[in-house]
Amino acid sequence: AQSVAQPEDQVNVAEGNPLTVKCTYSVSGNPYLFWYVQYPNRGLQFLLKYITGDNLVKGSYGFEAEFNKSQTSFHLKKPSALVSDSALYFCAVRDGSASKIIFGSGTRLSIRP
Amino acid sequence: GAGVSQSPSNKVTEKGKDVELRCDPISGHTALYWYRQSLGQGLEFLIYFQGNSAPDKSGLPSDRFSAERTGGSVSTLTIQRTQQEDSAVYLCAGQRSGGSNGELFFGEGSRLTVL
Repeated sequence: AQSVAQPEDQVNVAEGNPLTVKCTYSVSGNPYLFWYVQYPNRGLQFLLKYITGDNLVKGSYGFEAEFNKSQTSFHLKKPSALVSDSALYFCAVRDGSASKIIFGSGTRLSIRP
Repeated sequence: GAGVSQSPSNKVTEKGKDVELRCDPISGHTALYWYRQSLGQGLEFLIYFQGNSAPDKSGLPSDRFSAERTGGSVSTLTIQRTQQEDSAVYLCAGQRSGGSNGELFFGEGSRLTVL
């Protein structure tokens, strides 16, 4: 069975500093990995995905994520945080191409000025 | 429509009543998901429709929950004999094609409060 874990409920970063939001997964086949963001009172929005190819994928708003097969991780990163990045971030995984997408518990990112 | 439409946006009901939540996905999106987001919790998978295939109902928490998708378009999530623990935001998402690994397009959600 597939699963995804976000070990941090909250991440606090000063504006301008780099940020990392952690995600680990477990699948039996090839993983398809996603990050979504939920701004206050808004619906979830797609940020980026890893399907195959380059382990470093780039997405919206300057975010990127690195797929690490040996560590079964897909951490979300940004070199320089903005206050406007403050939101709830969800990692998601699909186990192969014929199954459902499941989400992690979410990490609240707070960027202080 | 331009986006995923969910109704009602807010629903307050009494314990024991039945509720129906509706999702109207983007035209042409053959895959449809229902998730539940409780306060302080992540997104809990409920059910997945993919084209004409049998839905994946593995996430439905009890037999009080059911969902259908008519004509490959609009979906209705029904909760019978609601309980207080059913209070949550119910989110619907569509995808162009199930298994395509394309992005999910989410609605704004239906907030259910069971008194």
